This record gives sequence, C-alpha cells and structure tokens, in this order.
Amino acid sequence: GAVVSQHPSRVICKSGTSVKIECRSLDFQATTMFWYRQFPKQSLMLMATSNEGSKATYEQGVEKDKFLINHASLTLSTLTVTSAHPEDSSFYICSAIGDRGTYEQYFGPGTRLTVT
Amino acid sequence: TQLLEQSPQFLSIQEGENLTVYCNSSSVFSSLQWYRQEPGEGPVLLVTVVTGGEVKKLKRLTFQFGDARKDSSLHITAAQPGDTGLYLCAGDSDSWGKLQFGAGTQVVVTP
Repeated sequence: GAVVSQHPSRVICKSGTSVKIECRSLDFQATTMFWYRQFPKQSLMLMATSNEGSKATYEQGVEKDKFLINHASLTLSTLTVTSAHPEDSSFYICSAIGDRGTYEQYFGPGTRLTVT
Repeated sequence: TQLLEQSPQFLSIQEGENLTVYCNSSSVFSSLQWYRQEPGEGPVLLVTVVTGGEVKKLKRLTFQFGDARKDSSLHITAAQPGDTGLYLCAGDSDSWGKLQFGAGTQVVVTP
C-alpha cells in the first residue's frame, strides 16, 4: 500500500514553454500532498503544500505564479512549471500523506525536468 | 525555521563494517522519519520514530530517537553494497505532516 506515482518520469522542454507534472496516490486518498525539488547531491527542498480543494501553500521564495499547483481530487495533484527556463531544470518529487493517521509521507519516483 | 543537522555528509566504508549517521536539532519533533534514496528515484521511508528514547530495528538497521525528541541516529551493522544510498532524516515539528529535512548523508559501501 501507499504507492505514489509521478508522470512523466523525464521531460525535456524548450525555454519558454510550460510543463505539467502529475502526482497520483494509487491505493489511498491523500488530502495533503507536497512538492519538492532536489538539486544534484543535495537534500529535498519543500516548494509547496497542496491540499485537496483549496489553494496551495507556498514556501518562502517559491513563485506561486511560476509553479502552479492544482489538487483537484483526493488522488491527484499537478505541478505546472510555467515559462520554464534552464535554471528550472531539476528533479521534482511529490509526496502524499497516507490515510493511516500517522502523517507519514510516501514519495513518488520523481520527475527529471531539463529545460534547454 | 528549525534546522536538522545531519552528519557526516559523506561516508565510505568497506563491506562488513558498521556505520552510524546522526541527526541533531535544537528543536523538539513530534516524530522523525528516516528515508533512503537512490539516484534518480524518490526517497523510500525506512522508519518513523515517535516516542522519546524509542529504538526500532529493521534487519541490520537500528534507529534511535533521543529522549528529548531532538535527535536521532541510524546505525547499520555489517554494511553491504546494497546499503549504498543517500540517507535522509526528516522531522515533523507541527504534527501536520510538513517535514524538515536534513542535508542527507551519502553512504557508499564497497565490496
């Protein structure tokens, strides 16, 4: 149980285009999901907290108009990187809190974004 | 912002040796989680510790939560090459699931 998927696993896009990344909880409902980015050989940096049916809460320094988050259902959250630039190239990882009342986070496999 | 300091940053050992990774903070956490991450993949949850002084064992891995719930350690006995990976500790300070991650410890176990 507690499986989280992400799609796509890898994406290459041109500078100025937008990219959407999906995060799904496959066998449980997740009222809360989180989006992280990770640079090589570094830890995870929390970008935002996504709550089903409400606006996402962004961490300080994260541009909400650039990183659009939509948590439309209890099993799906999307992150859209708008007008992507090479500096947005990174490993984006989502996680979801399981429905067992323990607040443990289960992570997706990540999405490697490369902006050329 | 509560800081979780993880040490060492990098650890390279031979197969069969033991190792310990530390996670320290000046703040109290309601729970602390340990993850292992391999390149190009998401972190995988190893254990969650909740009670001060708690010790949990997962095969050759032993996790301990400090009495004051401010620090934790991960001890691996007789390390194997399959233990290679980035080990991350993460603390839940507000009980709502938002985690504060340590910087990570890259462990390399050579045959």
